[in-house]
Amino acid sequence: DQQVKQNSPSLSVQEGRISILNCDYTNSMFDYFLWYKKYPAEGPTFLISISSIKDKNEDGRFTVFLNKSAKHLSLHIVPSQPGDSAVYFCAATPNDYKLSFGAGTTVTVRA
Amino acid sequence: NAGVTQTPKFQVLKTGQSMTLQCAQDMNHNSMYWYRQDPGMGLRLIYYSASEGTTDKGEVPNGYNVSRLNKREFSLRLESAAPSQTSVYFCASSEAKGRETQYFGPGTRLLVL
Repeated sequence: DQQVKQNSPSLSVQEGRISILNCDYTNSMFDYFLWYKKYPAEGPTFLISISSIKDKNEDGRFTVFLNKSAKHLSLHIVPSQPGDSAVYFCAATPNDYKLSFGAGTTVTVRA
Repeated sequence: NAGVTQTPKFQVLKTGQSMTLQCAQDMNHNSMYWYRQDPGMGLRLIYYSASEGTTDKGEVPNGYNVSRLNKREFSLRLESAAPSQTSVYFCASSEAKGRETQYFGPGTRLLVL
């Protein structure tokens, strides 16, 4: 049973607009959350993370929001750029090495 | 600085054949991991190694064995490949277990016929 779910397999957005990716989790022991980005034929690369003691973390164009009561997090990309076209994985861990990944959301940024 | 490297990039096996996937990292990381990625499933941890000489099972270890040869290298062996092991395999490393960022290799695409 998947403990981390990304219910939108794909997202298409126009260049310059906001991309919003969503992620839900079921395990209340998760206290650290990450987003990874993956291009075709490459391995995932770390993008941004958030601890459960925060509800927002920002890094340039990327912001992650955490709603612990809803067991939900989201990734905002503003503004979206063509180079952002990739697969984005949400991951969570109960403060150890065991990362649980979602199935991924494929983002396509249209010119 | 190559980061995490994996060989081979692509392999086709027949059911019952064996093979070893190789992984090496040059970041002096202590921890190394093997994942598999299947459509609609995300990445799932197969095995983990906290340090040279130690290994632990992950979420889906059945059908696999691992060897942490030294600090740099962590290999994954399929003794008798099955079609269910058709997948993309990723190796990763991190400084230590915990919240440190995991760095991934480019992956090995394996097809078992």
